[in-house]
Amino acid sequence: GAVVSQHPSWVICKSGTSVKIECRSLDFQATTMFWYRQFPKQSLMLMATSNEGSKATYEQGVEKDKFLINHASLTLSTLTVTSAHPEDSSFYICSAPEARSNTGELFFGEGSRLTVL
Amino acid sequence: DAKTTQPNSMESNEEEPVHLPCNHSTISGTDYIHWYRQLPSQGPEYVIHGLTSNVNNRMASLAIAEDRKSSTLILHRATLRDAAVYYCILSPFPGGYNKLIFGAGTRLAVHP
Repeated sequence: GAVVSQHPSWVICKSGTSVKIECRSLDFQATTMFWYRQFPKQSLMLMATSNEGSKATYEQGVEKDKFLINHASLTLSTLTVTSAHPEDSSFYICSAPEARSNTGELFFGEGSRLTVL
Repeated sequence: DAKTTQPNSMESNEEEPVHLPCNHSTISGTDYIHWYRQLPSQGPEYVIHGLTSNVNNRMASLAIAEDRKSSTLILHRATLRDAAVYYCILSPFPGGYNKLIFGAGTRLAVHP
């Protein structure tokens, strides 16, 4: 099946620094990708929809200036957490639909765990 | 978005069938029923989806009530690897072109 890969798998950073997380569709092109955030013992929360070649669409309550999303190519979307603080520590997960899939499934990356000290 | 209601947790023994229920009484006529599961420290993975008819695939079966207000995900023989959080999600599209909104899900424990 289609593969979505994230990098890094985990990252630790100091408060106030920025962290970039990459999401790649390895064997298909994705004009749309979705970014989720998940806190411990909680469900996934949709943060934004990343659109290739245009601005991302953010969910209500998600600060677009803090969570910068860039979808510069059909296989790569990046999420940059700017001026990270301990409360931004979370599991960030991206996903993408694959047009040729006959199941209509959404393919998820393995997630990136961010810890802000 | 139409909401779903699932039990917080369920338990099963290995090699026994598991029936995971989902209520979606406000489902609209164009909503598809999707099931995903999330193993510990991993991203979710697709399990199955359907609209009106029951569906089967290599992972599971999906039984949809005639009035579509509820559905049941059936794991025919649970294995330890099936221990995960199972999410029942409604979406107005058959595939992933529309965003999926996750609820709390059901945490399934499988005992040896």
